[in-house]
Amino acid sequence: VQLVDSGGGLVQTGGSLRLACAASGFTFSRYRMNWVRQAPGKGLEWVANINEDGSEKHYVDSVEGRFTISRDNAKNSLSLQMSSLRAEDTAVYYCVKSLPSAKYYFDSWGQGTLVTVSS
Amino acid sequence: SSELTQDPAVSVALGQTVRITCQGDSLRNYYTSWYRQKPGQAPVLVIYGKNNRPSGIPDRFSGSNSGNTASLTITGAQAEDEADYYCNSRDSSGNHLVFGGGTKLTVL
Repeated sequence: VQLVDSGGGLVQTGGSLRLACAASGFTFSRYRMNWVRQAPGKGLEWVANINEDGSEKHYVDSVEGRFTISRDNAKNSLSLQMSSLRAEDTAVYYCVKSLPSAKYYFDSWGQGTLVTVSS
Repeated sequence: SSELTQDPAVSVALGQTVRITCQGDSLRNYYTSWYRQKPGQAPVLVIYGKNNRPSGIPDRFSGSNSGNTASLTITGAQAEDEADYYCNSRDSSGNHLVFGGGTKLTVL
């Protein structure tokens, strides 16, 4: 299993950014996927998840309406479109795969991509 | 409540047993997972569900649940176990996930 996160960078407050995750080594379309973030020096925060066919999505309250999670099973890719970014969205964002038999547990993590929101 | 509470820091002597706890109302209804994170690295799943270990995780790691409290026990802590540990579970809605604040484990 390999998850490669990309797309992070420096963005201004109120701006937008799209994160991507390239998955390999497993049948991507069979697993629920997630984004989890970690602000510098802080703990982990679950951000969003999407079910196997993309028909079901859930978000933490603080990003609801600003972030959109999506997937392309044909391309084995996961995305997170982030808009109206705030300073408190500054974090390392991890693409995370759920266990096959227990969708709320995370068994594989990407290396993370850093998003910095600054005015 | 959708919060999970962990002690910020715990220490253990090399070779001794340590228990890291996680408290929250949602734990009365849902099992927990536990993650170990070393500096500069992504988290690693160490325990999930009632008491399941992914392949590659030593059997000195075990999990348990009682009421609103979940526990991660390391029996015979090793120097390489020094890390931050996070619990995770569903919130009361069942659709959202929440992490505890993390416990920094020091092996003396």
